[in-house]
Amino acid sequence: DIQMTQSPSSVSASVGDRVTITCRASQGIRSWLAWYQQKPGKAPKVLIYDASSLQSGVPSRFSGSGSGTDFTLTISSLQPEDVATYFCQQANSFPYTFGQGTKLEIK
Amino acid sequence: QVQLQESGPGLVKPSQTLSLTCAVSGDSINTGNFYWSWIRQPAGKGLEWIGRIYPSGNTDYNPSLKSRVTISVDTSKNQFSLNLSSVTAADTAIYYCARFKRIFYYFDYWGPGTLVTVSS
Repeated sequence: DIQMTQSPSSVSASVGDRVTITCRASQGIRSWLAWYQQKPGKAPKVLIYDASSLQSGVPSRFSGSGSGTDFTLTISSLQPEDVATYFCQQANSFPYTFGQGTKLEIK
Repeated sequence: QVQLQESGPGLVKPSQTLSLTCAVSGDSINTGNFYWSWIRQPAGKGLEWIGRIYPSGNTDYNPSLKSRVTISVDTSKNQFSLNLSSVTAADTAIYYCARFKRIFYYFDYWGPGTLVTVSS
């Protein structure tokens, strides 16, 4: 299985800050990576697909980059409603696997 | 607007079979551009992909669960189902159904999830 490792596991930042979350795959996955946001008690919601494509309806402050094994999710200006856990997910090969999650809080 | 909704027992006894159904509305499950998947999440933990089915009935399963999992589809009712046999407490989790987009390979719509507890 391809292991997806996210860092940090948790982050605390102030409103307006730039926040970066990284995801590393244990082997190359080309650009078959998606990012999801999960708020407490809710299902995950896709933010980014194909490593850098913004899902329709998602605010433009979210962006993704990377290919191969190293990927990044960036929030350009943190908003209070961005408090959530963020997961990366690879779809290069079976079984599809997710990162362990990064919990984002407001300072 | 596509909507998915899981249903099934919230409590299953050890060694029995967990059975869930996902009803799809707002689109036909026969649309060829999507796979239909099950994913689970133990409380406070990460996400585990269980498997997927294409409208034709072709399936792919996570090898870690393959011996116990069956996913089926009923296109006439626009729904698909999960059976997980010989359950233990380790199978206690929130179970999500989700639509997987064949182009760009990601889960674009999810059900709200249903908690299944395995306990006697």
